[in-house]
Amino acid sequence: RKEVEQDPGPFNVPEGATVAFNCTYSNSASQSFFWYRQDCRKEPKLLMSVYSSGNEDGRFTAQLNRASQYISLLIRDSKLSDSATYLCVVRSGGYQKVTFGIGTKLQVIP
Amino acid sequence: EAGVTQFPSHSVIEKGQTVTLRCDPISGHDNLYWYRRVMGKEIKFLLHFVKESKQDESGMPNNRFLAERTGGTYSTLKVQPAELEDSGVYFCASSQDVGSAYEQYFGPGTRLTVT
Repeated sequence: RKEVEQDPGPFNVPEGATVAFNCTYSNSASQSFFWYRQDCRKEPKLLMSVYSSGNEDGRFTAQLNRASQYISLLIRDSKLSDSATYLCVVRSGGYQKVTFGIGTKLQVIP
Repeated sequence: EAGVTQFPSHSVIEKGQTVTLRCDPISGHDNLYWYRRVMGKEIKFLLHFVKESKQDESGMPNNRFLAERTGGTYSTLKVQPAELEDSGVYFCASSQDVGSAYEQYFGPGTRLTVT
C-alpha cells in the first residue's frame, strides 16, 4: 500500500463547477498535511496547509479527517487557471521528511 | 528575493557517464532537500541537509548518488556512473526552518535523461 494515495484523474470539469479531491495516508502518526499545485513541467508550489479544524482560502477549502486518515481539497467556481496537478503531501517525523502522492490532474474546460 | 535555482535545467548523458546537478537555495535557508520524480511515479524524497550536515539521507537510492553541501550554501548531487533508471526530474527545495509553519520552496528542477 502506498503511503499517500490519490486518484490520478484526470478530472475534466466545466468552468464554474465545484470539484473535490481526496487523498488517503497510511501513517497514523503523520503530523502535517499540505496541498501543492504543480503546473505542467513546473515545480510544485504550496497551495495550502491543511489544519485539523479545516481551512479555507478563497475558493479553496481543505479538510483533514484523522480518524479515517484522509484529507480533501474542494475547489468552488473552477477557473481555467485552476487546471494543474494537485499534489497531496504528508509530513511525518521531526525533520520535515515529506511524502508525496502521485497527484490528481485537473482540467477545467471552457 | 531570488527563489531556489537549479542548474542545469536539462541534461542528457549516456549510461556510465557522470553528471553533477547544482542547487542554490533561497538565501538564509538552512534546510535544503533533494527530491526526484521518475516518469509516472510520485515525487520521492532523497535527502535533507541542515546547513552542511546531512540530516536524513534515507531516500538516496544507492551509492552511485553523492550529495554535498560544503559551507552550507549551495548543494550538488552527483550521479556516478549514471544508469538508465536514474532518468527523471530532480527537484531541490529549501526552507527557513523545520516545522509545519515553514514552507518548502521548490526549484524548477533538472530534467535528467540517461540514454
